[in-house]
Amino acid sequence: EPEVTQTPSHQVTQMGQEVILRCVPISNHLYFYWYRQILGQKVEFLVSFYNNEISEKSEIFDDQFSVERPDGSNFTLKIRSTKLEDSAMYFCASSEGAGDTQYFGPGTRLTVL
Amino acid sequence: KNEVEQSPQNLTAQEGEFITINCSYSVGISALHWLQQHPGGGIVSLFMLSSGKKKHGRLIATINIQEKHSSLHITASHPRDSAVYICAVPSGTYKYIFGTGTRLKVLA
Repeated sequence: EPEVTQTPSHQVTQMGQEVILRCVPISNHLYFYWYRQILGQKVEFLVSFYNNEISEKSEIFDDQFSVERPDGSNFTLKIRSTKLEDSAMYFCASSEGAGDTQYFGPGTRLTVL
Repeated sequence: KNEVEQSPQNLTAQEGEFITINCSYSVGISALHWLQQHPGGGIVSLFMLSSGKKKHGRLIATINIQEKHSSLHITASHPRDSAVYICAVPSGTYKYIFGTGTRLKVLA
């Protein structure tokens, strides 16, 4: 069964460093998403992406964040200058169409020291 | 007020018990998604439903769109069912709003 994959599973970085989280969505899906979950809190929407542009973003997704689909398979989330409060689990998801079931990757646990 | 509320927040059950987890939402939706989050953090899709009832193995999900309420039932619960169960609703075209989750622990 096709699945969303994410790398790395765990990333540790120093405050102020740039990180890139990588996702490979399901191959025939057209809509891509990033969510995050701070430890002990609920999952929160960050951004959705379709047709090589952001379709919606939350207030969390400020100028420090960017997303890109650099080739036909990868979907990346970049955090330019990490802060302690960026420590969280980051989930990528994809769906075939807008409003369709979203399928989630296993997550990347980001720890900012 | 949260747009998606789940109850209970925590639930401990003995193996074999019938379990019910509830989800209420305040936004108008066309469908609702039940997800399972494993202790390691990964999220697995369980059900997407827009009406009535769906069953998969020992899991049953029901939804009443008019009452803005959904339930997830687990029959003959087992310790391997221990996880966090999350309901999520679409908000607009692109995003989900998540409930806070129900942490289930099933004891052998």
